[in-house]
Amino acid sequence: KQEVTQIPAALSVPEGENLVLNCSFTDSAIYNLQWFRQDPGKGLTSLLLIQSSQREQTSGRLNASLDKSSGRSTLYIAASQPGDSATYLCAVSPGTASKLTFGTGTRLQVTL
Amino acid sequence: GAVVSQHPSRVICKSGTSVKIECRSLDFQATTMFWYRQFPKQSLMLMATSNEGSKATYEQGVEKDKFLINHASLTLSTLTVTSAHPEDSSFYICSARDQGAGRIDGYTFGSGTRLTVV
Repeated sequence: KQEVTQIPAALSVPEGENLVLNCSFTDSAIYNLQWFRQDPGKGLTSLLLIQSSQREQTSGRLNASLDKSSGRSTLYIAASQPGDSATYLCAVSPGTASKLTFGTGTRLQVTL
Repeated sequence: GAVVSQHPSRVICKSGTSVKIECRSLDFQATTMFWYRQFPKQSLMLMATSNEGSKATYEQGVEKDKFLINHASLTLSTLTVTSAHPEDSSFYICSARDQGAGRIDGYTFGSGTRLTVV
C-alpha cells in the first residue's frame, strides 16, 4: 500500500526566504507526482505535475524535483511571499486515470 | 485549462435528511471522477471512484449505501449523503482528469463542499 509523507508538517518563515518542502513515498512504481496548494476551506489548485520519466518541473518561483528511485520529491519556493501561505499537498498516482494517494500536507505561513 | 465545478459550496442540513453534491467537468469529458473527504487539518481521503455508466468503486470502510454515487454522463457525477448524521459533517471534494489527446494536465479538483449536519 502506497504511503506518502510530507515533512515538515508546518513551517513559518519570514517573507523573502527560499524554502523547501519534502515529500516521500514508499512505492516507487508511480506514474506521476503532483503538487497542490490548498487555501483554508477551499479546493485544491494544481501547481506542478511531474511525470515519472522527468526529474523536475518549474513554474515561476516554484520548482519541483522527483527522484523516483529513492521515493522523494521536493518543492522549492523561491523568494517566498505572504500570499504563498497555504497548505501544500503532494500526491502520487500509479497509472493514468488512477486514484491519487495524498501526503499529509505542509502548512506554510509566510510572515511580513 | 481543465475546470471542475462543484456545487453547492456550503450546505447545512438536519440529521436524517439527504444531501446531493454535484461535480461537473466544464470543458472536458471525464469517464472517471473521484470523491474525497477531508477532515479539519487532515489530508484528503479517497472515498470512491465514480465511473461513467457503471457502478462506483468504493474504498474500504466507506458505506456505499450511505454515500450514493451516480455518474450518468461524461460531465457529471453526483454524491448523495443519505440519512446524514453530525459525524458526516466534513469537507467533500471531487476531482477529474482530462484525458483528451495530448493532455497531461494531471488532476483537476472542484472547489469543495462544506457539509454541516445539525
